[in-house]
Amino acid sequence: NAGVTQTPKFQVLKTGQSMTLQCAQDMNHEYMSWYRQDPGMGLRLIHYSVGAGITDQGEVPNGYNVSRSTTEDFPLRLLSAAPSQTSVYFCASSPTEGTVNFGPGTRLTVT
Amino acid sequence: GDSVTQMEGPVTLSEEAFLTINCTYTATGYPSLFWYVQYPGEGLQLLLKATKADDKGSNKGFEATYRKETTSFHLEKGSVQVSDSAVYFCALRPHGGTSYGKLTFGQGTILTVHP
Repeated sequence: NAGVTQTPKFQVLKTGQSMTLQCAQDMNHEYMSWYRQDPGMGLRLIHYSVGAGITDQGEVPNGYNVSRSTTEDFPLRLLSAAPSQTSVYFCASSPTEGTVNFGPGTRLTVT
Repeated sequence: GDSVTQMEGPVTLSEEAFLTINCTYTATGYPSLFWYVQYPGEGLQLLLKATKADDKGSNKGFEATYRKETTSFHLEKGSVQVSDSAVYFCALRPHGGTSYGKLTFGQGTILTVHP
């Protein structure tokens, strides 16, 4: 198993640009989620999904969209990037009652 | 809502010193508790976990005990090594429903171990 994979590893955007962070898992996990990591603030939940076709907002959802058309994929879309979205983004997946597995992260800089 | 509070860092120790990183939480019901570790330039790895009161999680010489009476899950290691230098995160996951994939994290504690 490849586990949880994320692309790209690094990205630089200009303010106002849009992009999609990709996340995929090959473990047939029901639950997938996106977190952002900022210095001194730990990880904060952006959006999560409990299965294909079902998504919900986390703690910091503004400026981000998600969809879950398949069990494997859970892309995160930035519609109009802002400097406040400069962060490291982690995708995660877990089975019911199982361990949450994290991807390697995407480091995003918005100038 | 749920919250996790970790001791302020950074923590700097000499090799073979004793380590304690404090973690307390606020949550309803009976959450599961976790310690994750992040080595430089890498993602998060699960270090240990406990799913009910008085459970002790352990891995790689690290231990933490789920104390419901004090709402705490402090991380300890008797003798740290240089290779333990990393960021440590305490986290909780609510019990049941659609919450299995949702973790609430503490702010992280940077540990640096010198030879």
